[in-house]
Amino acid sequence: DADVTQTPRNRITKTGKRIMLECSQTKGHDRMYWYRQDPGLGLRLIYYSFDVKDINKGEISDGYSVSRQAQAKFSLSLESAIPNQTALYFCATSEGAGANVLTFGAGSRLTVL
Amino acid sequence: GDSVTQMEGPVTLSEEAFLTINCTYTATGYPSLFWYVQYPGEGLQLLLKATKADDKGSNKGFEATYRKETTSFHLEKGSVQVSDSAVYFCALQARSGGYQKVTFGTGTKLQVIP
Repeated sequence: DADVTQTPRNRITKTGKRIMLECSQTKGHDRMYWYRQDPGLGLRLIYYSFDVKDINKGEISDGYSVSRQAQAKFSLSLESAIPNQTALYFCATSEGAGANVLTFGAGSRLTVL
Repeated sequence: GDSVTQMEGPVTLSEEAFLTINCTYTATGYPSLFWYVQYPGEGLQLLLKATKADDKGSNKGFEATYRKETTSFHLEKGSVQVSDSAVYFCALQARSGGYQKVTFGTGTKLQVIP
């Protein structure tokens, strides 16, 4: 099994629908992240969490919310999806302070029509 | 704020050619530098890293040297293979408030043809 598992891998939805992307990890890492990847823009941080009770906004959090249900689970929600949220979403984990290596999931491709 | 600038892609090379992908950065303090690789249909994975000036990161034949004087971390490989076809991301990690923020470049797509 993958260290970081994202579901669903692909999702097509309509404008205004609520969408949840789920992430689970077996790395035992405290820190979890949600990134968005758009062509030509690289990866941008949406939210990050250092532990179950510590959740922080990233650079592009508007229109998104998150929930850290357990150390191993971190979900991203779009309360009312819009077409410009069409993107590839990645969950990642890291161990802690210092030169942290990020471990990424395989990504969730979301299309909002 | 911190930023990472990578050369525009796509880069197309013949097998066994020499590869350079340029990366320069802007950051306060002393960031750590990374190269991540994304193969088709997969998430990013660490290729190599360097944590201080003059460090050389290396892995799978790829190398990059942390050059503080030129604020650069160029990725090189002496002889590329078709299996190296992927998107390569340069990234830096630096303290921002109470958090070690990671800033990514826009990625450079490499295509290696037989």
